[in-house]
Amino acid sequence: QLQLEESGPGLVKPSETLSLTCTVSGGSITSSGYYWGWIRQPPGKGLEWIASIFHNGDSYFNSSLKSRLTISVDTAKNQFSLNLTSVTAADTAIYYCARHIAMIRVCDIWGQGTMVAVSS
Amino acid sequence: EIVLTQSPGTLSLSPGERATLSCRASQSVSSTYLAWYQQKPGQAPRLLIYGASSRATGIPDRFSGSGSGTDFILTISRLEPEDFAAYYCQQFGSSRGFTFGQGTKLEIK
Repeated sequence: QLQLEESGPGLVKPSETLSLTCTVSGGSITSSGYYWGWIRQPPGKGLEWIASIFHNGDSYFNSSLKSRLTISVDTAKNQFSLNLTSVTAADTAIYYCARHIAMIRVCDIWGQGTMVAVSS
Repeated sequence: EIVLTQSPGTLSLSPGERATLSCRASQSVSSTYLAWYQQKPGQAPRLLIYGASSRATGIPDRFSGSGSGTDFILTISRLEPEDFAAYYCQQFGSSRGFTFGQGTKLEIK
């Protein structure tokens, strides 16, 4: 079955760039009908959608984060990635990658999440 | 941007009771793009309901969703011990963005 796994550093210094990768296994990232996205959750708080991307590169972003975001897809590696620049303590969160069903706009398969702390 | 407000923030009930969780949108939302998720501590969210009222694969029929416009409800007919968790509503809007409600924590009374 399809699985997603996040990878990246657990600690990032303030003002630096947070880089995460999601590896998709058990299926192809080029499957039609699906976008691939990032959602985060600060400790003890709710969910915040970050960005989503299609395998052809079509992407859309949370407007409050857009100026600091880059999202990309590597179909050869079956991966998609997130870069968030100029991080602060407010970016400390569990970061999840997820598959979105394009037609009904829901996240039906999630990775287990990776904790990223921003601290010097 | 559409804001989703969930109530109550915390709901204390006993197993076997009925749970009613509310999600109110700041403006009308397409029912097609209204979903509910369950999240247990230390786990990723799990999709429960999509299209406001359709159960996702493998979701027990004690979970049901209803509503339209700005008011949506998630009902759990008879609470099982494994249902005590946090619940989030989510919508996708014309601005091509997802928003989540702040969540309702369902705890054992």
